[in-house]
Amino acid sequence: AQRVTQPEKLLSVFKGAPVELKCNYSYSGSPELFWYVQYSRQRLQLLLRHISRESIKGFTADLNKGETSFHLKKPFAQEEDSAMYYCALSTSGGSYIPTFGRGTSLIVHP
Amino acid sequence: EADIYQTPRYLVIGTGKKITLECSQTMGHDKMYWYQQDPGMELHLIHYSYGVNSTEKGDLSSESTVSRIRTEHFPLTLESARPSHTSQYLCASSTGVGNTIYFGEGSWLTVV
Repeated sequence: AQRVTQPEKLLSVFKGAPVELKCNYSYSGSPELFWYVQYSRQRLQLLLRHISRESIKGFTADLNKGETSFHLKKPFAQEEDSAMYYCALSTSGGSYIPTFGRGTSLIVHP
Repeated sequence: EADIYQTPRYLVIGTGKKITLECSQTMGHDKMYWYQQDPGMELHLIHYSYGVNSTEKGDLSSESTVSRIRTEHFPLTLESARPSHTSQYLCASSTGVGNTIYFGEGSWLTVV
């Protein structure tokens, strides 16, 4: 069975500090991994996906198959980054029905 | 404009009432989903569909039912609402293999 673990329910940092939101997954095959973000009063939306290998709003995430991780990182947090972040896994074994982690609430203080 | 539309956005109903939450997408997507989410909490998949006449139950047991008679329409029905059904319901859609999921704005249901 596939599973996504986000160990931190809440992450609180100051503006300008580095941020790392952790995501670990369990799946033996080749996964597709995503980060979704939900800003206050906005709908849940894609932030980035591992296959694109791009940086969005200064965020990057690297798939580490050895550690089965897909941590989200940003070198300098901004107040507007405050939001709920969800890691998601999609696999052929799961018929590409995505599995979401429980989410991490990021609060960036001024 | 391609989007996912959910109605109603907010609803307060009495216990025992029947309610249908509407979801329509103009994205041209085959797959559609319903998630239940309490504020700031994890998403629970309650129903999904691969296409017309396809419906499956998700990970979270739900007393709701869904139908998929048209590609763009995926309504969710509660035959007899209870206070435990109070939550936010998110409709979503995606294309085929491992692609991005697009979410609607959500329907907030309160059962009193």
